[in-house]
Amino acid sequence: GESVGLHLPTLSVQEGDNSIINCAYSNSASDYFIWYKQESGKGPQFIIDIRSNMDKRQGQRVTVLLNKTVKHLSLQIAATQPGDSAVYFCADFFGNEKLTFGTGTRLTIIP
Amino acid sequence: SQTIHQWPATLVQPVGSPLSLECTVEGTSNPNLYWYRQAAGRGLQLLFYSVGIGQISSEVPQNLSASRPQDRQFILSSKKLLLSDSGFYLCAWTRTVNTGELFFGEGSRLTVL
Repeated sequence: GESVGLHLPTLSVQEGDNSIINCAYSNSASDYFIWYKQESGKGPQFIIDIRSNMDKRQGQRVTVLLNKTVKHLSLQIAATQPGDSAVYFCADFFGNEKLTFGTGTRLTIIP
Repeated sequence: SQTIHQWPATLVQPVGSPLSLECTVEGTSNPNLYWYRQAAGRGLQLLFYSVGIGQISSEVPQNLSASRPQDRQFILSSKKLLLSDSGFYLCAWTRTVNTGELFFGEGSRLTVL
């Protein structure tokens, strides 16, 4: 079945540096992925998505890379700020109905 | 604009008691609706989703149930709570078009004692 997981549960980055959060998936049929950010005590918020016909997509300070060959995607955050501290989830939107989340990576920004 | 309301925000219940969490969406029609549970320090587990009134898909067998009595209302219930039911419950909606952008409610924190 489909599953989405992350390589590291925690990541600490110096303020101003770039952050890279990684995610692996197992279902070769998965073709649509989304990154979410969850701040403490709140529901997740959509950051950026990517479909399998692309290998890179950029947003404001964020870039998502998709490598279908190794079933891996990553979220890059440029010039991290204190407000970027949160848990980041990758998710697999399968069959246009079901969003399955990975376990999450807690990003801590060091001042 | 669309909004999602979820209540109660916090709930402390004894083992064996019933549960009802309610979620309503305003400003849209025929949304896909979702219930997720998040244990402390863990990821989000999909419990139920619904693509229409009376249509419920269950992802995890458990003592919880969901119902969608109206287009924009989604209810999570249990007849008898277990200790393992404690967690942060999140309702979410998305448009029925091809998007994985879910909009989440503020969550309901359930503690079963």
